[in-house]
Amino acid sequence: KNQVEQSPQSLIILEGKNCTLQCNYTVSPFSNLRWYKQDTGRGPVSLTIMTFSENTKSNGRYTATLDADTKQSSLHITASQLSDSASYICVVSPTEDMRFGAGTRLTVKP
Amino acid sequence: NAGVTQTPKFRVLKTGQSMTLLCAQDMNHEYMYWYRQDPGMGLRLIHYSVGEGTTAKGEVPDGYNVSRLKKQNFLLGLESAAPSQTSVYFCASSWTVPQYEQYFGPGTRLTVT
Repeated sequence: KNQVEQSPQSLIILEGKNCTLQCNYTVSPFSNLRWYKQDTGRGPVSLTIMTFSENTKSNGRYTATLDADTKQSSLHITASQLSDSASYICVVSPTEDMRFGAGTRLTVKP
Repeated sequence: NAGVTQTPKFRVLKTGQSMTLLCAQDMNHEYMYWYRQDPGMGLRLIHYSVGEGTTAKGEVPDGYNVSRLKKQNFLLGLESAAPSQTSVYFCASSWTVPQYEQYFGPGTRLTVT
């Protein structure tokens, strides 16, 4: 069983709308959690990184939240743009390695 | 700064053939990694290196070998390709342990027929 589960698998929204992506993990111990954006045909690019003591981290229109007690994280995208169409990957680091979620494929339509 | 580059971008192999994927980084990073990405699955670590001359196995190392003769280069070899190795391969690098940000290359799409 994957230690990092993301939902939904895919999502379609209209340009300008907000959306929230979910990440549940069972990785323990826990060092940090990251969200990556991966455009089609490209490598992942880091959006946010949070340690276990942080509850929220923002990067422009992207806001990540973390609840270490329930082992849940979310990525909220505000006022979506066509360029937000990509896969969003949740990555949890226990100690010196990284566990990747399968990602959520987001499509923003005009 | 080119960041992390990978060559080739695409490759088609026949079963049993061998090939080497090259990863290069110009950020003077100590750590380098090779991942594979398959549909519906998260990236999986194949091998990694914590410094020049050192390599270690990741989650899915079977069928692959690696070498880190120079700090800036990390090579991934397939000795006898199998259809199960059809995937997109990503190289990444970081300053030290993965808690620090990893920078990814653009990927290599490999098809084994």
